Amino acid sequence: GENVEQHPSTLSVQEGDSAVIKCTYSDSASNYFPWYKQELGKGPQLIIDIRSNVGEKKDQRIAVTLNKTAKHFSLHITETQPEDSAVYFCATQFSGGYNKLIFGAGTRLAVHP
Amino acid sequence: KAGVTQTPRYLIKTRGQQVTLSCSPISGHRSVSWYQQTPGQGLQFLFEYFSETQRNKGNFPGRFSGRQFSNSRSEMNVSTLELGDSALYLCASSWVGQLNTEAFFGQGTRLTVV
Repeated sequence: GENVEQHPSTLSVQEGDSAVIKCTYSDSASNYFPWYKQELGKGPQLIIDIRSNVGEKKDQRIAVTLNKTAKHFSLHITETQPEDSAVYFCATQFSGGYNKLIFGAGTRLAVHP
Repeated sequence: KAGVTQTPRYLIKTRGQQVTLSCSPISGHRSVSWYQQTPGQGLQFLFEYFSETQRNKGNFPGRFSGRQFSNSRSEMNVSTLELGDSALYLCASSWVGQLNTEAFFGQGTRLTVV
């Protein structure tokens, strides 16, 4: 069935370090993979996404990689800052699901000064 | 450009009552999806509307329903509230009702059932 596994559930890093969050999905027909950042008291904010015809995408300090053969994708944050502290969710969109997103369980990232 | 607006932000209801939540999508967006967020179950898809038609529905009981108006605004209704319905309800809007379209979320409505 539809499933997205996300690891780790919590991640603690020092300011300036890199952070990596990994997700694995089950449906090989998935073709859209967004990442969301959710701060306390707010809704999820789209920070980067990747489509199945691309292996990697970068936006300043954030990058996402996709391995369709292995059915996993990862979020990479470099030079972390305290304001990066939040909960991050990966998601995938399955074929035939229109705009239905299946989310991972989330990763709580803490960046310590 | 205004973002997705959800009202009310907070709601307290008694078990057995019903509740209606509202979502105004980003101007020009015709697809609206609803999600339930709880600490135990995470973010779960409720349903999606496009051009006033429900195109997809998640695994929730029939007490959860929704609709979309001609101006793309959407409402969701929960009848016969249960304690377990306490959650953050999120609405997301997308530009067109196609695959691979970015979804933008509102701040959510925090529902507490007592």
